[in-house]
Amino acid sequence: EVVMTQSPATLSVSPGERATLSCRASQRIHSNVAWYQQKPGQAPRLLIYGASTRASGIPARFSGSGSGTEFTLTISSLQSEDFAVYYCQQYNNWPPWTFGQGTKVEIK
Amino acid sequence: QVQLQESGPGQVKPSETLSLTCTVSGGSVSSDNYYWSWIRQPPGKGLQWIAYIYDSGSTDYNPSLRSRATVSVDASKNQFSLKLRSVSTADTAVYFCARYGDHVPGYFDYWGQGILVTVSS
Repeated sequence: EVVMTQSPATLSVSPGERATLSCRASQRIHSNVAWYQQKPGQAPRLLIYGASTRASGIPARFSGSGSGTEFTLTISSLQSEDFAVYYCQQYNNWPPWTFGQGTKVEIK
Repeated sequence: QVQLQESGPGQVKPSETLSLTCTVSGGSVSSDNYYWSWIRQPPGKGLQWIAYIYDSGSTDYNPSLRSRATVSVDASKNQFSLKLRSVSTADTAVYFCARYGDHVPGYFDYWGQGILVTVSS
């Protein structure tokens, strides 16, 4: 099973600032990573797939990068609606498809 | 626009069977060549993939749940279902149904809103 490790667990950022979230895979997974945003009481929302492709309707301030074992989600200028929990997910080696434990982005 | 909606009991007793249904609208569970999945999230914790079903027959399960889980499709109702046997309090979670994007079992592009199932006597 591929273990996905996200850091930090919590990220405190001021509105308008840049946020950088990290995700590390326990083995090489090429670019087969997706990122999701989850707000309280809601389902996860797909942001990025293929490590760097934005899903339909996702603002350009969200970008993804990385390959192999190291991946990054960057939010270039945080808006109020971006404060949420973010998960990475691998889909290279399955089953099972596995998720990171999440990074909470909170208001500083 | 594809929409998914989970339904089922919100509470199940220990050792009994959890049964959930996902109703799909705006797409077909059996003829659009998509894979459909169940994912769960214990309160305050992360996401765990449970199982998928494709084309009314092809299935796969998380090895940790394979002995207790069964997924099936009812094409006439455009629904797919999850049964999880012999539940314990560790199975308390929000259960989501979801669709894999791009006609392959990879990332999840559409999700239901989720249903909280509590295992308690």
